[in-house]
Amino acid sequence: DADVTQTPRNRITKTGKRIMLECSQTKGHDRMYWYRQDPGLGLRLIYYSFDVKDINKGEISDGYSVSRQAQAKFSLSLESAIPNQTALYFCATNRDSNQPQHFGDGTRLSIL
Amino acid sequence: DAKTTQPTSMDCAEGRAANLPCNHSTISGNEYVYWYRQIHSQGPQYIIHGLKNNETNEMASLIITEDRKSSTLILPHATLRDTAVYYCIVSPRGGTSYGKLTFGQGTILTVHP
Repeated sequence: DADVTQTPRNRITKTGKRIMLECSQTKGHDRMYWYRQDPGLGLRLIYYSFDVKDINKGEISDGYSVSRQAQAKFSLSLESAIPNQTALYFCATNRDSNQPQHFGDGTRLSIL
Repeated sequence: DAKTTQPTSMDCAEGRAANLPCNHSTISGNEYVYWYRQIHSQGPQYIIHGLKNNETNEMASLIITEDRKSSTLILPHATLRDTAVYYCIVSPRGGTSYGKLTFGQGTILTVHP
């Protein structure tokens, strides 16, 4: 979805580095999500936020943190990257739980 | 959340209808059926969703059985660009739900010329 922008699109980094992935949306949605996808697997939820003052852990939050800087911005950080965090990361947004989620094009992260 | 079962892969000829089945026999009354697709590592794309009535939009039709235990996504005239992994997801609505989507393995649809 062109209204959900993820940066960077690709990143290669080394073990132990701090990494930040950014997501911004122009849809005016309150809810934002971070997922990761590993080869051959479905998406798994890392963190989600229902508004700027709300942050919740998903099913695989260990090793990650997030920041909701504004309604439109939701960042995912890896404080000390490790190789098994190599994956494709997606941000998504929706208006409420009854509405479909709209996904960005993803960030391909490789940790050496 | 209810579990879904989809065939691992399906083929379809270009121009023909693609019918993708999904079983969700443990679906509860407050759960929607969503369909998404993912084209080669791009972000998942929403296709359609429904509760109990059949739904149609510009992309596809969704047929839900009367007992809601299964559904079929229909792409009426498949094109090569419809080649993708299709995910059937059951997700609760409202209440204490946080709108979580649980993506399973999906169905790899290959459209042939």
